Amino acid sequence: QVQLVQSGAEVKKSGSSVKVSCKASGGTFRNVGISWVRQAPGQGLEWMGGIIPMLGTTNYAQKFQGRVTITADESTTTAYMELSSLGSEDTAIYYCARSPSIVGATVYFDPWGQGTLVTVSS
Amino acid sequence: QSVLTQPPSASGTPGQRVTISCSGSSSNIGDNFVYWYQQLPGTAPKLLIYKNYQRPSGVPDRFSGSKSGTSASLAISGLRSEDEADYYCASWDDSLSGQVFGGGTKLTVL
Repeated sequence: QVQLVQSGAEVKKSGSSVKVSCKASGGTFRNVGISWVRQAPGQGLEWMGGIIPMLGTTNYAQKFQGRVTITADESTTTAYMELSSLGSEDTAIYYCARSPSIVGATVYFDPWGQGTLVTVSS
Repeated sequence: QSVLTQPPSASGTPGQRVTISCSGSSSNIGDNFVYWYQQLPGTAPKLLIYKNYQRPSGVPDRFSGSKSGTSASLAISGLRSEDEADYYCASWDDSLSGQVFGGGTKLTVL
């Protein structure tokens, strides 16, 4: 069974960038996707984008295009999400999740990582 | 404002059956699968229903999903205290070219 373990909490200044990691273990990493979903305090879920590590193919939500970069390192079975130009509205828990695809009707998320809290302060 | 519309809250007593609705449009639910996630307090979401009505292994058959046109529903029968959680629906949106979620429904077991 695939398990996803994310890096620890971060505190960042407005205008800076953050990079969160997500290490997969116990299952196949190459032929599935890894997506990123965030949740602001007390709010709902928001899909940011995803990557197919085997192909290096990415797909980003329109809202985050130009500001988010998702990468993956097959040798360490680790995916990364980097978000730039941070503002207070980016304070949220960021989750990675395995997804069969990153585009179309079969995008869904199972399992999820434990989440990484990113706090943006001025 | 979420693309998919869910009631913000729902409630029931132990043993009851409750349903949570999810309303969308032809560009999302009407043309794509619906997924449901359960988020227990302080934890990461968990996949509950996939491809409209299918249950991952380990999910009790008390949970069921359905879809009709541009709406979907999650039904929970034999309600238990441990079902108290936030529930989210999700679907792909062809117009936005992205995955969209409902705003979430907080289920309270009275």
